[in-house]
Amino acid sequence: GQNIDQPTEMTATEGAIVQINCTYQTSGFNGLFWYQQHAGEAPTFLSYNVLDGLEEKGRFSSFLSRSKGYSYLLLKELQMKDSASYLCAVFNDYKLSFGAGTTVTVRA
Amino acid sequence: NAGVTQTPKFRILKIGQSMTLQCAQDMNHNYMYWYRQDPGMGLKLIYYSVGAGITDKGEVPNGYNVSRSTTEDFPLRLELAAPSQTSVYFCASSPTGSNQPQHFGDGTRLSIL
Repeated sequence: GQNIDQPTEMTATEGAIVQINCTYQTSGFNGLFWYQQHAGEAPTFLSYNVLDGLEEKGRFSSFLSRSKGYSYLLLKELQMKDSASYLCAVFNDYKLSFGAGTTVTVRA
Repeated sequence: NAGVTQTPKFRILKIGQSMTLQCAQDMNHNYMYWYRQDPGMGLKLIYYSVGAGITDKGEVPNGYNVSRSTTEDFPLRLELAAPSQTSVYFCASSPTGSNQPQHFGDGTRLSIL
């Protein structure tokens, strides 16, 4: 079975840093994706981790520890447009299993 | 470049009616997927396909059917609509089944009353 947990909501101030945690217990693991989804829109790809460690892409970074079943997405220099839902997804056997998503609200 | 195109964008159905949600991609991707997303929930995989003529069940396939006669198209069929199928449906595609991101369509918002 698949169990993927992430916090439901987070609020932060413009210009700040927010860290979204994701823990997983899955029957298999080939990698972990993070997607961003604005309200009423489709998910869009943010980052992918297959090996342990940190992947940095501009203001967004993602970390993976396979031994701990843990990942986080770090959003730096928050902007109002970063208000969205962030979805953690485990990739295994051609398929993605998603967490419920974390809604991030950025306040001025 | 259109990417993944879903039609219709919105639809209201009566209980017991049937309909087909269309999905087409122009990226020559082999892998295609159908998800549903309920409010406050993550995406749940309904069906997927690894190539033309090949389909397989995902996590929540009951009440749905799919076909994949061409690489481009992957329609999702609801035979007897039920209120529990009210959801937002997303179609996605990826080039291969390896670690490449899936590209999503804009979704179909379906209400069954």
